[in-house]
Amino acid sequence: ILNVEQSPQSLHVQEGDSTNFTCSFPSSNFYALHWYRWETAKSPEALFVMTLNGDEKKKGRISATLNTKEGYSYLYIKGSQPEDSATYLCASVKGAQKLVFGQGTRLTINP
Amino acid sequence: EAQVTQNPRYLITVTGKKLTVTCSQNMNHEYMSWYRQDPGLGLRQIYYSMNVEVTDKGDVPEGYKVSRKEKRNFPLILESPSPNQTSLYFCASSRPGLANYNEQFFGPGTRLTVL
Repeated sequence: ILNVEQSPQSLHVQEGDSTNFTCSFPSSNFYALHWYRWETAKSPEALFVMTLNGDEKKKGRISATLNTKEGYSYLYIKGSQPEDSATYLCASVKGAQKLVFGQGTRLTINP
Repeated sequence: EAQVTQNPRYLITVTGKKLTVTCSQNMNHEYMSWYRQDPGLGLRQIYYSMNVEVTDKGDVPEGYKVSRKEKRNFPLILESPSPNQTSLYFCASSRPGLANYNEQFFGPGTRLTVL
């Protein structure tokens, strides 16, 4: 994988359901993976920065896992709420200080 | 309040008219960066700066200039804007760290339209 890819591009989920989506990134020369949450008309806000293979991080109902050997990360949202509606971005650190972002997964929670 | 500020927030201009978008942070961060966001393309890095007087190209630097004379400020300069630079621009900063392990703090964004 040459670029950072996220799937699906968009997702509609019923309130209360759990969901997950994927970020795929180049596994060679891995440094770190960032996840951001971006609400409409606001700025992206950091969720997690992950560096270790097998790492799992959690913030409230949101959690993420990391597999650096195969080059993917999953973001999970448990019991989706309307306020979870946002675009979720992942970014892989390229070289020493560059960030390469995926296109994002746009999540809509239906009440 | 810790924040990254950008000005202006919205700008409509014409082709060839030089403009500067300012970015300032009050968190004493060494690292600052500019991104543009276009539909279907995600955030793409334009330039970044690891510290005062240290800047480097990101993935889409053509048509842009930056300077870092002070730690808190990182202006983005478009010497001769063209319509393909119409975009949403974000400035971001973060604490120093090996290989950018630290989260980035984003400004509110500047929506630029070049006619």
